[in-house]
Amino acid sequence: AQSVTQPDIHITVSEGASLELRCNYSYGATPYLFWYVQSPGQGLQLLLKYFSGDTLVQGIKGFEAEFKRSQSSFNLRKPSVHWSDAAEYFCAVGTNTGNQFYFGTGTSLTVIP
Amino acid sequence: GAGVSQSPSNKVTEKGKDVELRCDPISGHTALYWYRQSLGQGLEFLIYFQGNSAPDKSGLPSDRFSAERTGGSVSTLTIQRTQQEDSAVYLCASSLVLLASQETQYFGPGTRLLVL
Repeated sequence: AQSVTQPDIHITVSEGASLELRCNYSYGATPYLFWYVQSPGQGLQLLLKYFSGDTLVQGIKGFEAEFKRSQSSFNLRKPSVHWSDAAEYFCAVGTNTGNQFYFGTGTSLTVIP
Repeated sequence: GAGVSQSPSNKVTEKGKDVELRCDPISGHTALYWYRQSLGQGLEFLIYFQGNSAPDKSGLPSDRFSAERTGGSVSTLTIQRTQQEDSAVYLCASSLVLLASQETQYFGPGTRLLVL
């Protein structure tokens, strides 16, 4: 069965520091991978997605993610975090056989001055 | 253009009452999805629509939950005889086409349901 794991429930980083949010998936075929961000009181917004090709994908707001098939991972990174990045981040996987997304439980990011 | 809208934004109800949650997708989007987000949980898929039909109802947690979509646009999620465990944020999303695994979903702000 497909699943998505985000091992870190909550992460705190200092403003200006680098960030990496972990995501592992379980799926037998090549997955379609997404990162969404949910700011307080806002709907989920797509940060980036991977379907095929270059395994390093660039997204909005300076985020990037790297697909590593050997590790079944799709970690999200940002070189320098801004206070406005404080939010909940969700990793999701879509399959090529159905029409469902499988979301992780999310990682809450706190940014301290 | 307008994004996905949901109403009401907040709903407080008493246990045993029925509630209706509404979703207006982005105009022209054929696919529509309902998710539930409980405290400390990820997004739980409930149901999706292709046009007005719902090929996959497997995510609905019980027969108290139902959903419909009319005119290929607005969708209503109905919860009958609400229970306290139904308290959650209900999110609606739409995408241009049905191939959800490849399409970006656009989410509404959600309806926060509290069952007392």
